[in-house]
Amino acid sequence: SAVISQKPSRDICQRGTSLTIQCQVDSQVTMMFWYRQQPGQSLTLIATANQGSEATYESGFVIDKFPISRPNLTFSTLTVSNMSPEDSSIYLCSVDGGGGNEQYFGPGTRLTVT
Amino acid sequence: QKEVEQDPGPLSVPEGAIVSLNCTYSNSAFQYFMWYRQYSRKGPELLMYTYSSGNKEDGRFTAQVDKSSKYISLFIRDSQPSDSATYLCAIGWVDKIIFGKGTRLHILP
Repeated sequence: SAVISQKPSRDICQRGTSLTIQCQVDSQVTMMFWYRQQPGQSLTLIATANQGSEATYESGFVIDKFPISRPNLTFSTLTVSNMSPEDSSIYLCSVDGGGGNEQYFGPGTRLTVT
Repeated sequence: QKEVEQDPGPLSVPEGAIVSLNCTYSNSAFQYFMWYRQYSRKGPELLMYTYSSGNKEDGRFTAQVDKSSKYISLFIRDSQPSDSATYLCAIGWVDKIIFGKGTRLHILP
């Protein structure tokens, strides 16, 4: 399985600011995914990012709030824009397994908005 | 009815016991089934992945799928304190995966 790293691992941000989260994979992957994990809730897919095309957002998530970049096959960023306390969550990137439908996850970014 | 339902626990069992974790799902179109383990402050780690009904075994872990009942299970034999974590079921079709909320498991030494 791929080795995935995320930066930052955690951050405390003020309301109204933006934070960009980086996801780096040690091998080339076709699909990268961004999830949100809130306490007591299941993992919720924010968007799917394929290299060379616009990210595909799930219902309830919009590009203006969560812009995503995917400049190459090993890297992606998720920006959380104009943050509010409701954005406090763990943000996870994942990649497809390459052979099947399984996904492998990074360690997550723990975001607190004050 | 939610697409995937999973008892959040917490579930506490003594070391050495057999643990049974379960999920139910509503959509018979789901094609593949996974279990993830998530330690505190870590990302989910894929434990088991299967397409078919029946059992799949990997060491102390057995994944069981019953498509007729829309029910999946993860069994952990000879449970260890290091198995204490949150276990998430994940069920999917095509390129869409739905995750359960996770069951918190505590193995008591």
